[in-house]
Amino acid sequence: AQKVTQAQTEISVVEKEDVTLDCVYETRDTTYYLFWYKQPPSGELVFLIRRNSFDEQNEISGRYSWNFQKSTSSFNFTITASQVVDSAVYFCALSEGSTGTASKLTFGTGTRLQVTL
Amino acid sequence: EAGVAQSPRYKIIEKRQSVAFWCNPISGHATLYWYQQILGQGPKLLIQFQNNGVVDDSQLPKDRFSAERLKGVDSTLKIQPAKLEDSAVYLCASTLGGASSYEQYFGPGTRLTVT
Repeated sequence: AQKVTQAQTEISVVEKEDVTLDCVYETRDTTYYLFWYKQPPSGELVFLIRRNSFDEQNEISGRYSWNFQKSTSSFNFTITASQVVDSAVYFCALSEGSTGTASKLTFGTGTRLQVTL
Repeated sequence: EAGVAQSPRYKIIEKRQSVAFWCNPISGHATLYWYQQILGQGPKLLIQFQNNGVVDDSQLPKDRFSAERLKGVDSTLKIQPAKLEDSAVYLCASTLGGASSYEQYFGPGTRLTVT
């Protein structure tokens, strides 16, 4: 069975601080995909990144960066120089890839990030 | 490109009443999902369609929930009768192809309150 754990329920930072959101996953599949989604107060889930299990390269996109480590089953997300607009709930999610068909996303419980001035 | 459309955005009903939600996925997206998001939790899959066939409905409470995707495009999710614990946001998502590598695009959701 798949499982995603986001141990941090809520994080508060002051603008311009760096913040890391943790994600630990469990799966028996050798092929799988990891995702991060952002859910702002409006409620719509916004896709941020996808990673497949064979690609452990870290990725940077502007102020966002992701660190994928298979050895610790973690896929952490760092926001550098946080801004008020980053305030949202962030979800880490996992989907199986070995079935050959599109699979459901298994979500963590989310981390609420509050960025204040 | 238009996103995933859902209606209504909000619905308040009394327990034991019935309710229906509608979803129009992104044009050309073969796979459609319905998720339930209870306050403070991550979304949980209710049902997945590939075109107009059901791929996974293992977590759908079939005694009260039903869903269909006629013609492989729009989908409706129905609850009959509703219970208090059905209060949640119901999210529809779609994805282009039949592989897990594709990201899912989510609609704005329908917030259901059962009183």
